[in-house]
Amino acid sequence: NAGVMQNPRHLVRRRGQEARLRCSPMKGHSHVYWYRQLPEEGLKFMVYLQKENIIDESGMPKERFSAEFPKEGPSILRIQQVVRGDSAAYFCASSPTGQGVNYGYTFGSGTRLTVV
Amino acid sequence: QKEVEQDPGPLSVPEGAIVSLNCTYSNSAFQYFMWYRQYSRKGPELLMYTYSSGNKEDGRFTAQVDKSSKYISLFIRDSQPSDSATYLCAMRPLRRAGSYQLTFGKGTKLSVIP
Repeated sequence: NAGVMQNPRHLVRRRGQEARLRCSPMKGHSHVYWYRQLPEEGLKFMVYLQKENIIDESGMPKERFSAEFPKEGPSILRIQQVVRGDSAAYFCASSPTGQGVNYGYTFGSGTRLTVV
Repeated sequence: QKEVEQDPGPLSVPEGAIVSLNCTYSNSAFQYFMWYRQYSRKGPELLMYTYSSGNKEDGRFTAQVDKSSKYISLFIRDSQPSDSATYLCAMRPLRRAGSYQLTFGKGTKLSVIP
């Protein structure tokens, strides 16, 4: 029973390029959450999605960042025109229902983005 | 004042010691509390979650919540070298419209020395 799968594990992008981070939730989970962990900082919420819907994007930067969770396939976090400040670990979590936020999610191993 | 404060450590203890990890918070609306363990270069792993004030025990781990003091703790008994990791507290208010986020502390790095 595979857990939350994120790929790639490591991603290097030059400034100005696009970064695409993928997240496949656990089997049977239809709720996905993205968090960012900057160096020496705690995890910060970015966005919560259900299939084909963005439910809460209050933590997403207004520009360059977008997220989707299509009917088929993984959830994608997309960062356009990356800058050095985007270098961080990006974690995806999933839960079977929206109540996962009360009882804890299951996190993936993360994608570590380095912008050079 | 940050919403959640957590001493980053590092905390170093001998094997077999009792470890106490703590977080304080300022938002009295927080009602759900969790502890996660994060090994180096890995994702956070849920250890425990609690809702009410008091203690909750699971094996060697005990989570304690004191809402009146806005203070939560995680105790680890008979600590093992495999417990060496960063421990993150997380919390959220009673569900309100449009809010599904957890607020995390920065984490405490623990080393258990054999």
